[in-house]
Amino acid sequence: DVKVTQSSRYLVKRTGEKVFLECVQDMDHENMFWYRQDPGLGLRLIYFSYDVKMKEKGDIPEGYSVSREKKERFSLILESASTNQTSMYLCASSLITGEYEQYFGPGTRLTVT
Amino acid sequence: RKEVEQDPGPFNVPEGATVAFNCTYSNSASQSFFWYRQDCRKEPKLLMSVYSSGNEDGRFTAQLNRASQYISLLIRDSKLSDSATYLCVVNNGGSYIPTFGRGTSLIVHP
Repeated sequence: DVKVTQSSRYLVKRTGEKVFLECVQDMDHENMFWYRQDPGLGLRLIYFSYDVKMKEKGDIPEGYSVSREKKERFSLILESASTNQTSMYLCASSLITGEYEQYFGPGTRLTVT
Repeated sequence: RKEVEQDPGPFNVPEGATVAFNCTYSNSASQSFFWYRQDCRKEPKLLMSVYSSGNEDGRFTAQLNRASQYISLLIRDSKLSDSATYLCVVNNGGSYIPTFGRGTSLIVHP
């Protein structure tokens, strides 16, 4: 079974803090993705990576950065958390081309106060 | 125009009913299609792929209409446990990035 794990299910941070969200997949997938999901807005892509040290901006990269030093791990960094970054964050992975399904982690519900 | 559009619903149906959702896509070069299911406060999970010839899995049938650029999901004999949000996903040829619809909410009541 493919497994995608995320470091925290729930996280509460203060405005201005640097926040790290970690994602690990165990299926040797090339692609990894970070989304945020908000009511009424659906899934929005923040960043994705198709290989180690490779990253591409998604639809809403502002205020975020990512790191992929190892194939199995993809980290999302909020450089200076703000209240409008309160959201559900979902990590996903897939095989190299877009023809394959994505596997999602359980999500991290981040609250910034 | 959004690339992938779904009626957000909610579709409110009694147990045993048949319900169908459509999803339209704008890119005629789209090559692969999926339906995902997302339960409340959970992650999306693949429900089924959608092939050109259609796809059936038990009570669920997915179909693709390339001419009109939409995919559909039919659920027969609805169960309470089918209550969820159904996400349509479209992959464009050569792109790593799938495009998600915003989802259709289904509520099955006794």
